[in-house]
Amino acid sequence: GAVVSQHPSWVICKSGTSVKIECRSLDFQATTMFWYRQFPKQSLMLMATSNEGSKATYEQGVEKDKFLINHASLTLSTLTVTSAHPEDSSFYICSALNLGESATEAFFGQGTRLTVV
Amino acid sequence: DAKTTQPPSMDCAEGRAANLPCNHSTISGNEYVYWYRQIHSQGPQYIIHGLKNNETNEMASLIITEDRKSSTLILPHATLRDTAVYYCIVRVWAGTASKLTFGTGTRLQVTL
Repeated sequence: GAVVSQHPSWVICKSGTSVKIECRSLDFQATTMFWYRQFPKQSLMLMATSNEGSKATYEQGVEKDKFLINHASLTLSTLTVTSAHPEDSSFYICSALNLGESATEAFFGQGTRLTVV
Repeated sequence: DAKTTQPPSMDCAEGRAANLPCNHSTISGNEYVYWYRQIHSQGPQYIIHGLKNNETNEMASLIITEDRKSSTLILPHATLRDTAVYYCIVRVWAGTASKLTFGTGTRLQVTL
């Protein structure tokens, strides 16, 4: 299947700093990418939908000024956690799909574990 | 997207078939059934999807009832590496609205 690469796999940052997570589709053009967050022993929670060349659509309750999403090209989306705090510590996962295909599966990155100290 | 109901956990002996059920009684005619799994601390992995007909690939088989209100994912010969949380998701294919909404899934434990 198609490959989605996330970087970094894990990151530790100080409270108040910002962290950028990259999501790349390696062998296909991703017109849409999704960002999820997962807390321990919980399911994935969709944060936002990112479309190439346009503003991201955020789910209810997700602060768009805190979680900045940029989808500048068909192969790269970034999530920046601004002014991170310990409660932002979580597992962040991106997903990409190619809307050129019909009813295709979404492919997921390996996830980024963020720890804010 | 329609909601799904899955048992929270299941056990399966290695080498035996694992049958994971999913109820989606409110599924609409244009919604597909997708299955993903998540091994601990990794991103979800696509397994299989279908609309009406049963489907089979190298990983699993998907059996969808005739009324489409439930489905079963079958792992024909489970191994220890199949231990994971399995998510059944119903999703309409609607362009940029085609997001995947995850429920709580079934935690499958494969044992020796």
